[in-house]
Amino acid sequence: EAAVTQSPRNKVAVTGGKVTLSCNQTNNHNNMYWYRQDTGHGLRLIHYSYGAGSTEKGDIPDGYKASRPSQENFSLILELATPSQTSVYFCASGEGGANTEVFFGKGTRLTVV
Amino acid sequence: AQSVTQPDARVTVSEGASLQLRCKYSYFGTPYLFWYVQYPRQGLQLLLKYYPGDPVVQGVNGFEAEFSKSNSSFHLRKASVHWSDWAVYFCAVRRYNQGKLIFGQGTKLSIKP
Repeated sequence: EAAVTQSPRNKVAVTGGKVTLSCNQTNNHNNMYWYRQDTGHGLRLIHYSYGAGSTEKGDIPDGYKASRPSQENFSLILELATPSQTSVYFCASGEGGANTEVFFGKGTRLTVV
Repeated sequence: AQSVTQPDARVTVSEGASLQLRCKYSYFGTPYLFWYVQYPRQGLQLLLKYYPGDPVVQGVNGFEAEFSKSNSSFHLRKASVHWSDWAVYFCAVRRYNQGKLIFGQGTKLSIKP
């Protein structure tokens, strides 16, 4: 069973502070993704990666950085958190093939006050 | 640009009734289409996937979906819903040569006893 683990599961941060969301996958997948989920928008892609050392901008990258130091780990970094970044964040991993499954973590609920 | 629209934000059906959740996509070329389900406080799980071939695809838990190129649709169906189907359902499209998924806004399904 593919496993994607996110930490923390819940986080309260102050405006202007730095936040790091972590993701670990044990599937040996090349591709990893960060999405945010907001009511009325579904899931929107923030950053993704094709392998260790690579990061690519998704559809809404402003205000976020990503880091892929290894095959297993993919982090999302908010250097200066803002209330508009309050959301639920999902990490996912998968192979690159179009018809292959993408596996999701359980999400991180971030509140920026 | 590729996109997915789920026109119904909320759907309520009676337990045992049939279900259809609508999905319209906009895509140039051959789409790879997916339905995911999100149970409360969980990540997304794959229900079924379509890649070029039989337009009707079967998924888990009695779900099926039908691809229509002429209508640009990929509607999800179930003959008889169960209370355990109470969840949010997401339709997604994936480009052939990329791994990332583009999601619709989601449809929240509620079940009446």
